[in-house]
Amino acid sequence: AQSMTQPDIHITVSEGASLELRCNYSYGATPYLFWYVQSPGQGLQLLLKYFSGDTLVQGIKGFEAEFKRSQSSFNLRKPSVHWSDAAEYFCAVGAIETGANNLFFGTGTRLTVIP
Amino acid sequence: EPEVTQTPSHQVTQMGQEVILRCVPISNHLYFYWYRQILGQKVEFLVSFYNNEISEKSEIFDDQFSVERPDGSNFTLKIRSTKLEDSAMYFCASRWGQANEKLFFGSGTQLSVL
Repeated sequence: AQSMTQPDIHITVSEGASLELRCNYSYGATPYLFWYVQSPGQGLQLLLKYFSGDTLVQGIKGFEAEFKRSQSSFNLRKPSVHWSDAAEYFCAVGAIETGANNLFFGTGTRLTVIP
Repeated sequence: EPEVTQTPSHQVTQMGQEVILRCVPISNHLYFYWYRQILGQKVEFLVSFYNNEISEKSEIFDDQFSVERPDGSNFTLKIRSTKLEDSAMYFCASRWGQANEKLFFGSGTQLSVL
């Protein structure tokens, strides 16, 4: 069965600092991988996704993520964090055989940005 | 950017009552979903809906739950007899096609069962 693990419940970074949010997946084949962001009172917004090809994917708002099969990881990165990036971040995996018809989410990482 | 709309934003109900959560997916989308997030827990898949029928559902989606697309624009989730443990944020989502199409989420309905 698919699952996602986000080991960091809460991360605090200074504005302008770099960011890396960790995510590990469990899936028997090549997965579909996603990162979503949830701001307070908002729905889930897709930051980026990986299906195949280049293992470094670029997303919106300056985020990127790298798929590393050997480590079963799909970590999210941003070189310089802005105060508006404070939110909850979720990684998710979808099964290829179902066309990613349902997604399995991690428990989320809350990002706090301090000035 | 187009939006998925959910109403109401908050719903309070008594245990045992029926509730209907409403969603208006993006107009040309074909695949519809409900997810929920219990406070402090993961976002969990409930059900997917395509071509006027359920295409997949999770173990959570038992006989107390049902979905409907009554008029070609709305997509509803009904809970027949709510339980305390149904308290959660319920997200509706839609997309045009499968897999490599972007999944759009609504802002959610916070359901509180008293």
